[in-house]
This record gives sequence, C-alpha cells and structure tokens, in this order.
Amino acid sequence: GDSVTQMEGPVTLSEEAFLTINCTYTATGYPSLFWYVQYPGEGLQLLLKATKADDKGSNKGFEATYRKETTSFHLEKGSVQVSDSAVYFCVPSSNDYKLSFGAGTTVTVRA
Amino acid sequence: NAGVTQTPKFRVLKTGQSMTLLCAQDMNHEYMYWYRQDPGMGLRLIHYSVGEGTTAKGEVPDGYNVSRLKKQNFLLGLESAAPSQTSVYFCASTRLNTEAFFGQGTRLTVV
Repeated sequence: GDSVTQMEGPVTLSEEAFLTINCTYTATGYPSLFWYVQYPGEGLQLLLKATKADDKGSNKGFEATYRKETTSFHLEKGSVQVSDSAVYFCVPSSNDYKLSFGAGTTVTVRA
Repeated sequence: NAGVTQTPKFRVLKTGQSMTLLCAQDMNHEYMYWYRQDPGMGLRLIHYSVGEGTTAKGEVPDGYNVSRLKKQNFLLGLESAAPSQTSVYFCASTRLNTEAFFGQGTRLTVV
C-alpha cells in the first residue's frame, strides 16, 4: 500500500524563519499528493495538493512541488508565523483505499 | 453545507460501558474512515468503508465495530469500553484520489 517517510518532529522555529518538512512517498501508480494541517484542538484540513508530476501546490505561503523522480513532496514556507504552529501530515492518495496519515510533524513557532 | 459532522464532541464512559459515535457527511462521498489520535502517535486507522454496506479493518480495529447502513453515515461502536480507548476520534470522508474532509473530533475518556 501507499506510505510516506516524513521528517520527524518536533520542530521548533523562531518567527520569520524558513521551514522545510521533508516527505518522500511510496505508492503504486501516480498518486495525488496532499499536505494536511491540524491546528491545536481542531480536526485536519487540507493545506495544499498536487495531482501530477512537477505540479506545485501552494496555500497560505506554503509550497510543495511534486517530484516524481525523487518521489518527494517537501513542504516549505519562507517566513513562518506563530499561527503556523500545528501538526503537518504528508499523504499520498492513489488506489489504496486505506487513507493513512502517520505521526505527522509537529511545528512550534516562537515569537 | 455541513461537511463532516461528528457526534458527540465529548464523552466520559465508565469501563465496560458501551457507546456509539456517529459520523455524518453530506458530500455524497463513497469512502469513510474512523481514526484515533493519541499523543505522539499521529492518526491511526481503526476501520474504513468503501461504500454503503461495506466495512474493513484498519491498523487498530480491536475493541471497535462499525456499520455503514446508509451512505452518508458511518458509526463506530465500543461494546465494552476500556481505559486504553481514551483518545480523540476523528471521522473523515473522501472520494478516491481527492481531498479528505474531517470532522472536528470526539474526545472520549474512559475511567
């Protein structure tokens, strides 16, 4: 089935720092790739997605590029804010019905 | 458009009691999922369903049962609650290869 190797946390940053969360995936076929975010006390929500190779997903200043050759979908943000403190999940989605999320990466941004 | 609605939001059970968590979605999604989230463990898949009348086991199914009698509803049952089932439970729904939508979670404490 589909799986991801995601950078382990926790990650602690200062405001305005650069954030990268590495994600590599294993999947059958050509999956769509998603980053979900979970803010404290809330459910998960979609942050961004990419559906084919070389697509770049972006939202709220975050970006991730679908790299088929390296099977990666790394999440980046150039200048983080305290409000970006959350847990981030990288998820491939193809023909595997078992939608698996793993542990995610906890990010804490300090003022 | 309500999306995914979970009830109840909070519950305290005594060991040995039973309860049912309800997940309802109004997006006509085929796939529905139940997860539990524990500190440091990410989201672990309990059971899932790929359509009305079908269910399947996830990673941690023991102690739980599910039913999908109607396409829009996915019920999670605990027949005899144990303290180890203290957790936050999330329901999600999706179509294949598209964004998953989550409920706000149910915080369950078993004493």
